Amino acid sequence: GAVVSQHPSRVICKSGTSVKIECRSLDFQATTMFWYRQFPKQSLMLMATSNEGSKATYEQGVEKDKFLINHASLTLSTLTVTSAHPEDSSFYICSANRGAGETQYFGPGTRLLVL
Amino acid sequence: AQSVTQLDSQVPVFEEAPVELRCNYSSSVSVYLFWYVQYPNQGLQLLLKYLSGSTLVKGINGFEAEFNKSQTSFHLRKPSVHISDTAEYFCAVSEGNTGNQFYFGTGTSLTVIP
Repeated sequence: GAVVSQHPSRVICKSGTSVKIECRSLDFQATTMFWYRQFPKQSLMLMATSNEGSKATYEQGVEKDKFLINHASLTLSTLTVTSAHPEDSSFYICSANRGAGETQYFGPGTRLLVL
Repeated sequence: AQSVTQLDSQVPVFEEAPVELRCNYSSSVSVYLFWYVQYPNQGLQLLLKYLSGSTLVKGINGFEAEFNKSQTSFHLRKPSVHISDTAEYFCAVSEGNTGNQFYFGTGTSLTVIP
């Protein structure tokens, strides 16, 4: 199956700093990438949909100025958590697909801990 | 919007016993259906998917699922589970070839007891 990578896999940062998470599709071009957040023992919560070359579409309740998404190429999307606070600590997962209706392939996730 | 229901949040089962994890969805439009498995501190791995054709879909690790349009269900089954099947299982739905967004169920935690 298709491979999606995320970097870093784990990050610890101080409150008030910004953290960038990268999501890459390694063996296919992803027209769309998705960013999810997952709290312990819960399902995935879609944060935003990222389309290459256009602005991301954020889900209701997700602050676009806090969670900056850039989809600069067909293989790379980045999520930047700006001025992170402890409540932003979570597991962030990205996914990618080739187009509408296609299977979503998930990255391994990034564990963010804000102290 | 779709809603996806996984009725069982936790399913304990003895090793080598059969298991069924239930999934129901809400929409009556054409849908694509997926089951994913998540091991601790990892992303989601695709187990199987239904796009069209035969309603009985076979996936990896001996899992299979059956699409039942009249009951809007897509239950996951395995005839004999192993310890290594202990994980979180998520059912997901997308709205056919016009939809990008996936709708996830709340997950079922499968624990295989030795």
